[in-house]
Amino acid sequence: NAGVTQTPKFQVLKTGQSMTLQCAQDMNHEYMSWYRQDPGMGLRLIHYSVGAGITDQGEVPNGYNVSRSTTEDFPLRLLSAAPSQTSVYFCASSYGGGSDYEQYFGPGTRLTVT
Amino acid sequence: KQEVTQIPAALSVPEGENLVLNCSFTDSAIYNLQWFRQDPGKGLTSLLLIQSSQREQTSGRLNASLDKSSGRSTLYIAASQPGDSATYLCAGGRYGQNFVFGPGTRLSVLP
Repeated sequence: NAGVTQTPKFQVLKTGQSMTLQCAQDMNHEYMSWYRQDPGMGLRLIHYSVGAGITDQGEVPNGYNVSRSTTEDFPLRLLSAAPSQTSVYFCASSYGGGSDYEQYFGPGTRLTVT
Repeated sequence: KQEVTQIPAALSVPEGENLVLNCSFTDSAIYNLQWFRQDPGKGLTSLLLIQSSQREQTSGRLNASLDKSSGRSTLYIAASQPGDSATYLCAGGRYGQNFVFGPGTRLSVLP
């Protein structure tokens, strides 16, 4: 199993550009989520999904959009990039929702917005 | 709102020492608690998961415990090695709610 994969690994955007961060898992997990990690602040939840066709907002959803058309994929879209979105983005998956099950993380995407 | 504190923020020890990392939650009603390791520039690797019916978990030289009455968890690392150098994060949450993460403890084990 590849586990949780993320592409790209690195990305530089100019302010106002849009892009999609890809996330895929091959463990047949229902629950998937996106976090951002900033120095000294820990991981903060952006959006999550409890299954195909179902998404919800996390702690810091503004400026991001998600959809879940398949169990395997959960892309994160930046609509109009801002310097405040410079961060490391992690995708995670688990068998079930919330803190009820062990989470598995991807390697991350390092995004810089200039 | 659930907040998580990890003490110390950073720790530097000589090889071979036993050490304890601490994690505490403002809301003690933690259902599951997970400890992760993060190497520089890498993702999070799960170390131990303490599930709702458990009080501790062990894996090799690692032992994690959870005191649900106080919302505090400790990660004990025995006979530390330079390869243990990394950032250690804890995460927990109420039943049916998302995990909340601590800021991490940055550990350096010197040869």
